[in-house]
Amino acid sequence: SQTIHQWPATLVQPVGSPLSLECTVEGTSNPNLYWYRQAAGRGLQLLFYSIGIDQISSEVPQNLSASRPQDRQFILSSKKLLLSDSGFYLCAWSVRQGNSYTFGSGTRLTVV
Amino acid sequence: GDSVTQMEGPVTLSEEACLTINCTYTATGYPSLFWYVQYPGEGLQLLLKATKADDKGSNKGFEATYRKETTSFHLEKGSVQVSDSAVYFCALSNMIKAAGNKLTFGGGTRVLVKP
Repeated sequence: SQTIHQWPATLVQPVGSPLSLECTVEGTSNPNLYWYRQAAGRGLQLLFYSIGIDQISSEVPQNLSASRPQDRQFILSSKKLLLSDSGFYLCAWSVRQGNSYTFGSGTRLTVV
Repeated sequence: GDSVTQMEGPVTLSEEACLTINCTYTATGYPSLFWYVQYPGEGLQLLLKATKADDKGSNKGFEATYRKETTSFHLEKGSVQVSDSAVYFCALSNMIKAAGNKLTFGGGTRVLVKP
């Protein structure tokens, strides 16, 4: 069966520090991968999606970047965090051309 | 681009009351439609979905019908329970490239059911 792992669950980081959130999927090949952010009191915003290794598309300009070094690994990064980067980050995967999405358990990031 | 609009909350109800959360969308082509639920402190779970016009998705007493003529996918439940307290997200999935789909969410509606 397919599973998605996202870590850490919570993170408190100072302004200006780097960030690395990791997401891995097991039990499938060539998944589409996504990073979403949910800011406090707001909806879900798609940040990045990837349809293959090293193929990353950004939906919104921001302080963050994403990488996909392996087929089932998706990493969200920042060189210098801003206060506005605080939020709940969700990784998700779907099969190619599929309509079934599975979300990770999320990472709550607080930038102080 | 694609967009989803859903009613703002919070929606406060008494147990056994009827719940309706309105959702409308704008999209090209033939999107699939979803409702996701987020319980306090948790991630997102798929509640129900519909992949074509006039399809009805249902799960846990919730229902939603894909209405292409009104571009809507309203969520309904006839009798809510305290355990239904959560944030509900309407979403659509549409093609972004030949190999992929993209899920676009509405802003979410917080529902609070009181005993």
